[in-house]
Amino acid sequence: AQSVTQLGSHVSVSEGALVLLRCNYSSSVPPYLFWYVQYPNQGLQLLLKYTSAATLVKGINGFEAEFKKSETSFHLTKPSAHMSDAAEYFCAVSEGSGYSTLTFGKGTMLLVSP
Amino acid sequence: DGGITQSPKYLFRKEGQNVTLSCEQNLNHDAMYWYRQDPGQGLRLIYYSQIVNDFQKGDIAEGYSVSREKKESFPLTVTSAQKNPTAFYLCASSTAGVGPGEQYFGPGTRLTVT
Repeated sequence: AQSVTQLGSHVSVSEGALVLLRCNYSSSVPPYLFWYVQYPNQGLQLLLKYTSAATLVKGINGFEAEFKKSETSFHLTKPSAHMSDAAEYFCAVSEGSGYSTLTFGKGTMLLVSP
Repeated sequence: DGGITQSPKYLFRKEGQNVTLSCEQNLNHDAMYWYRQDPGQGLRLIYYSQIVNDFQKGDIAEGYSVSREKKESFPLTVTSAQKNPTAFYLCASSTAGVGPGEQYFGPGTRLTVT
């Protein structure tokens, strides 16, 4: 069975600092991995996805993530945080193609201080 | 513009009443999903449908029912059998391709049952 662990329910950074949100996955087959962002009382928006092509994936709003098979990780990073990045971030894994379901982590709330 | 519509945004019901949440998409996606979100719990899959007139239970289907009579619509009924129905409900859709189709989310419905 697939699963996702997001380390840290809350992460605080200063504006301009590096953002690092951690995600580790468990999967019995090569996974597909996703990062989503959620602003308060809204739906989820896709930031980026890994689908077995390049291991370093670039997404929207300056975010990127690196797939490391040996560490079963897919951490999300951004070189310089902006106030508008404050939101909740979810990592998700899927084991199949087509209409496979996603398994989500519990989320990490990113807090950005001036 | 293409997208997913969920209505209403906020819904209030008395305990013991069934309530139906609406989800409509005009993305021409075959698959649709319902998730429940509780603080600190991430997203949990309730039901999903890959094709019209067919649907499968997710991880927490007890106390919920769905129908898929049209490709565009996937309503969710929260029945009186659901023990703790107060939550934020998210609908999503996806299409198949090479690798898993990323899921697109609606804005959500916040249900409060008292």
